[in-house]
Amino acid sequence: EAGVTQFPSHSVIEKGQTVTLRCDPISGHDNLYWYRRVMGKEIKFLLHFVKESKQDESGMPNNRFLAERTGGTYSTLKVQPAELEDSGVYFCASSQVQGSYEQYFGPGTRLTVT
Amino acid sequence: DQQVKQNSPSLSVQEGRISILNCDYTNSMFDYFLWYKKYPAEGPTFLISISSIKDKNEDGRFTVFLNKSAKHLSLHIVPSQPGDSAVYFCAASANTDKLIFGTGTRLQVFP
Repeated sequence: EAGVTQFPSHSVIEKGQTVTLRCDPISGHDNLYWYRRVMGKEIKFLLHFVKESKQDESGMPNNRFLAERTGGTYSTLKVQPAELEDSGVYFCASSQVQGSYEQYFGPGTRLTVT
Repeated sequence: DQQVKQNSPSLSVQEGRISILNCDYTNSMFDYFLWYKKYPAEGPTFLISISSIKDKNEDGRFTVFLNKSAKHLSLHIVPSQPGDSAVYFCAASANTDKLIFGTGTRLQVFP
């Protein structure tokens, strides 16, 4: 069974540009989560999808971030326009059952904004 | 304000000995706690968890202890192996899918 995949693995962009990160969850997992880790700090929750609906987006830092999950399969996280403080590793995770704390994480996308 | 704290950024242990990783939390509403393990260039991998109604959970070489009165949990690895070298994250949840993570502890197990 394929795990959670994320694309790209690395992205380097200039301040003010736009970047779109993609996450493909494990097949059959209705729950999809985005997290972010800024260098050396904690992994922070961004949002949670159940199928195509946003269940909890309390961690989204501001309106420069837009997450979508059309069709309830893969998800994209767009940052527009990117700022220096957006640099970090963006992790996607998925789980089969809502309320299952055991979430399966992808390898992450390392975003560097210069 | 950080609700889950891992105050030791790193720990070095000899192979075969016990590794003890510690985690403190501030939110008394947390009802579930987890430990994740992370290798470089990989995502965190679930290791072991414990419900707030228990004080101990064991899975092979890994045991998690929860002290609710002290708002403290610890992960014990016995015996430690070189393959255990990784960053360990403590996480907690308050009856939601939203996991609150600590900053991680880098464990190095040397021969």
